[in-house]
Amino acid sequence: QQQVKQSPQSLIVQKGGISIINCAYENTAFDYFPWYQQFPGKGPALLIAIRPDVSEKKEGRFTISFNKSAKQFSLHIMDSQPGDSATYFCAASTKGWYSGAGSYQLTFGKGTKLSVIP
Amino acid sequence: DVKVTQSSRYLVKRTGEKVFLECVQDMDHENMFWYRQDPGLGLRLIYFSYDVKMKEKGDIPEGYSVSREKKERFSLILESASTNQTSMYLCASSSGGHESYEQYFGPGTRLTVT
Repeated sequence: QQQVKQSPQSLIVQKGGISIINCAYENTAFDYFPWYQQFPGKGPALLIAIRPDVSEKKEGRFTISFNKSAKQFSLHIMDSQPGDSATYFCAASTKGWYSGAGSYQLTFGKGTKLSVIP
Repeated sequence: DVKVTQSSRYLVKRTGEKVFLECVQDMDHENMFWYRQDPGLGLRLIYFSYDVKMKEKGDIPEGYSVSREKKERFSLILESASTNQTSMYLCASSSGGHESYEQYFGPGTRLTVT
């Protein structure tokens, strides 16, 4: 059972355009929603994250929009650049307890390969 | 900067071999994770560890085991490698404190089992 559904699988955007990637989740216990960016040959790295108590978070050209009632969140990349070409993963997290120790786990979407063409 | 290193970038092994993938982090993080990444399937959690000698199964633990004898080192073991374990393996770590959601990833090990 996939707990975080991500779409589209791939996306081609013209330079200067807006890239939009969507995610939906099922588990209402999730309380942290990050986006990771992965360049070829590298591990994923945190790009931006949001908590469910806000509906939007913006960092530079990157914005997360969050809709708690719909259990959806999305990443918007404004003025997309060729350097933004990468694979983007949404994720969701909650804290689990194991033998008395807390540990946060991430459940990832399947990823979106973004290509920004000049 | 947090640094997570993995012992090999590329590895080729034969079916039936025992394979060790090593991961080391330098930030004194409590939590360490092993994922495999396959095209179209995203990142899937194999095992994680929240303390030395402690481990928990993730979503796809079958065919794998792990070892964490020291805080900074987390090993993934394929007891008898099979071709369906050909994949990219990613190690990650995170701190154990409050708000410790962010995971820091290594560069990955691309394992091919022939």
